Amino acid sequence: LAKTTQPISMDSYEGQEVNITCSHNNIATNDYITWYQQFPSQGPRFIIQGYKTKVTNEVASLFIPADRKSSTLSLPRVSLSDTAVYYCLVGDIVGPMTGGFKTIFGAGTRLFVKA
Amino acid sequence: GAGVSQSPSNKVTEKGKDVELRCDPISGHTALYWYRQRLGQGLEFLIYFQGNSAPDKSGLPSDRFSAERTGESVSTLTIQRTQQEDSAVYLCASSYGQGRSSYEQYFGPGTRLTVT
Repeated sequence: LAKTTQPISMDSYEGQEVNITCSHNNIATNDYITWYQQFPSQGPRFIIQGYKTKVTNEVASLFIPADRKSSTLSLPRVSLSDTAVYYCLVGDIVGPMTGGFKTIFGAGTRLFVKA
Repeated sequence: GAGVSQSPSNKVTEKGKDVELRCDPISGHTALYWYRQRLGQGLEFLIYFQGNSAPDKSGLPSDRFSAERTGESVSTLTIQRTQQEDSAVYLCASSYGQGRSSYEQYFGPGTRLTVT
């Protein structure tokens, strides 16, 4: 399983763009990169998933360079309600026999959005 | 549609007692996961079920922990002889079994376990 490294915490202000970078130097060919968001007293919520280049949805963008050894979650124009913990996960999705479904969340990045 | 549900939402138990936590996954989701989250920390993988395959129990912290799943529906996590270090929120998640959608896990609200 690829190990991920993220900043422990980040601060931002309302209206700013926030970029959270995750390092995964030993990512494998079959691995996808997935980001989750967790608010206090709630379970994590899926945000976005990608394999390479750029993925965008209504919530965020995910930038993955060609070597795939890192990825950056970009949150445009954050608001106070984006204060949460953001987790980066890396794993393959080929099937259970490969062990790819043992998801490791790590400590995540605590984002504080200030007014 | 209905999401993942867990019961009870809160459980206070005395040290040494057994507890049983329940998870009802989203209908049609063949994969089910249990995690433990201690206060202020990340999620700790416990166990994974996929269809009729043997579960991945590699995350269970001791033999006091066990889990079962009936087909592709309800799962029960049992903790025997609870210890104070078992106090945490226990989260259940479900997903489709294979492919890209397998990584989109849907989480329940969790069960907050307090061992006194």
